Parts: sequence; structure tokens; C-alpha cells
Amino acid sequence: DAGVIQSPRHEVTEMGQEVTLRCKPISGHNSLFWYRQTMMRGLELLIYFNNNVPIDDSGMPEDRFSAKMPNASFSTLKIQPSEPRDSAVYFCASTQDQGHYGYTFGSGTRLTVV
Amino acid sequence: SQELEQSPQSLIVQEGKNLTINCTSSKTLYGLYWYKQKYGEGLIFLMMLQKGGEEKSHEKITAKLDEKKQQSSLHITASQPSHAGIYLCGADRTGANNLFFGTGTRLTVIP
Repeated sequence: DAGVIQSPRHEVTEMGQEVTLRCKPISGHNSLFWYRQTMMRGLELLIYFNNNVPIDDSGMPEDRFSAKMPNASFSTLKIQPSEPRDSAVYFCASTQDQGHYGYTFGSGTRLTVV
Repeated sequence: SQELEQSPQSLIVQEGKNLTINCTSSKTLYGLYWYKQKYGEGLIFLMMLQKGGEEKSHEKITAKLDEKKQQSSLHITASQPSHAGIYLCGADRTGANNLFFGTGTRLTVIP
């Protein structure tokens, strides 16, 4: 299995532009998570899906952030418009059976907003 | 998250030495996870503990969860440079797939 696949690995964009991050979870995993990691705040849970349905989006910073999971093999996290304070590493993770076998993380997308 | 306190924040040890990292919660946890992260990479799952008093080992790494399920320790025996990285504890408080993390412990192993 190729693991959780995220794209792009690096993204540099100008303030005000729309940014879309992509994630392909492990086949058969029924839960998907988006995290953000910064030096100041550590690793924060933004939103998670169970069977493609958003369950908890209380960690989404504000309305500029949105996430979708149109099917079991694909999810996107969109920021519109982007701001410099959104610069961070964004991780996607997936799991099955409520995490009893651990959550598998992707390699992350390093976002820089200038 | 301030709900999980890790100590120490950073640790520098000589190769071959043993070390312990602690993770403490003020509330009872449903599950406790240990992950390792190398700079610029994703998190690698190490172990999950769910039962009070549970202990698991993988190679030279042992993790324990106390009886109250509020504190966990990660112990590395005879550390090697390959153990270097950031160790993160994560917890699920309710069993509802809401995994939150501590601030991490940065481990450096000097050859």
C-alpha cells in the first residue's frame, strides 16, 4: 500500500489566492483527518470525516477554510482567500476501526503564503 | 494542545543511554498514542495503549499507560542516532475519533 498520499508536497502562494490541498487515504480506511502543524500551536485537528461525512469541523479556523470528501478515496482542504498566518504544514491522516490500529499520516503539504 | 503535557520539551543524550519521555493529561483518556516525526516528514505510528496499566514494546521502545489512564511514559533503551526526532503523544478522550496531540519532545542522540 502506498500509504496516505498528499499533494502537493510544497505550495507557495501569494496572499489572497485560493489554495487547494489534496489527500488520498489508504484504501479501506473509513475515517479521514486534516491537521495543521505550526511551531507556535503544534499539531491541531482541523476536521475529520467518517464514511465521507464531516463529523467535527470545530477546529477549522474560520470560514476561509473548507474541506470536502466527495468519495472514499479523495479529500480536499481549501483556503480562500489565503493569508500569511495560514503558513504551516498540513497533514492528512486516515484510519479504520476508530484508530485501534493507529492513524496513518501522509507526508504533509508545506504551505507558505507570502 | 494544553490538554496533553509532554516532558521534557527537548532531550539530548549520548548514544547507548536510556531515556524516558512523559505525557500527562488532567483527564482520563480513552486511548493514548505515541508517534515519531522526523523533520519535514509525516508522523510514524509507534504504539497505542488503551487499558489502564497496559505496556507495549517494539524493538527498544517501551510505552506504558498508568492505571488511571492519565499518564504515559515512553522509554528507549540503549538509544541510537536513528531514534532522533520528535516524539508526540496523542490522545482520544472519548473514543469518538478526536485525536489531539501534545507539544512534542525533540530527541537528539549524539553518536
